[in-house]
Amino acid sequence: NAGVTQTPKFRILKIGQSMTLQCAQDMNHNYMYWYRQDPGMGLKLIYYSVGAGITDKGEVPNGYNVSRSTTEDFPLRLELAAPSQTSVYFCASSYSGPDYEQYFGPGTRLTVT
Amino acid sequence: KNEVEQSPQNLTAQEGEFITINCSYSVGISALHWLQQHPGGGIVSLFMLSSGKKKHGRLIATINIQEKHSSLHITASHPRDSAVYICAVTTSGTYKYIFGTGTRLKVLA
Repeated sequence: NAGVTQTPKFRILKIGQSMTLQCAQDMNHNYMYWYRQDPGMGLKLIYYSVGAGITDKGEVPNGYNVSRSTTEDFPLRLELAAPSQTSVYFCASSYSGPDYEQYFGPGTRLTVT
Repeated sequence: KNEVEQSPQNLTAQEGEFITINCSYSVGISALHWLQQHPGGGIVSLFMLSSGKKKHGRLIATINIQEKHSSLHITASHPRDSAVYICAVTTSGTYKYIFGTGTRLKVLA
C-alpha cells in the first residue's frame, strides 16, 4: 500500500493564481482531512470528509474548497491565492472517526508571492 | 490560552537520557494522540490513548483523565529520536483534532 500520497511536494504560486492540491489514499479509509501547518503553530483543520460526497468545514476554511467524489481522493482547491496561504499542507485519513489512528501524507510546501 | 498546551517547547538531551514531554488540555476529550514529526516533515502517529498507559519499544505514553494531562516518555534516548513531538486531542462529539504546537527534541550523541 502506498498509504496517503500528496502532489505536488512543492509549489510556488503568484498572488491571485489558483491550484489544486491532490490527495489520495489506498487504505479504504472513510475519513479524510486537510490541515495546514504554519511555523510555530499547531496543525489547523481546513476541511474534512466522512465519506464520498460528504464534506464539512474545519477551523480555517476561507479561501479553500474541497470535493470528495470517491473514497480514495480528496483534492483541496485554492482559489485566488494570497500570501496568507503560504504554509505546509498535510492530508490525512483514518478508517473511521478521529478516535482512530490518522495516517498523514508527506505534505505540500506552498509559497504564495 | 490554547486548549492544548505542551511543555517544554524545546528540549536538548544527551544520548541515553530519560525524556519526558508533557501535554495538558482544557477540553473534554474522547482520545489523546501523540504524533512524531520527522525533520523531513513527515508525521507519524505514535499512540492513541483514552485511559491508562501504552508502551511501544522505548516510548511510553500515559494519561490522567482527571488531571487532563498526558506525558510521553522516551527511555534510553537516541539521536534518531530527534523530532517534533505533537500532542493532539479529539473532542467528544466532534470530528476534529486540536493540536498542540509541538515539542522540538534534539538528542545529542
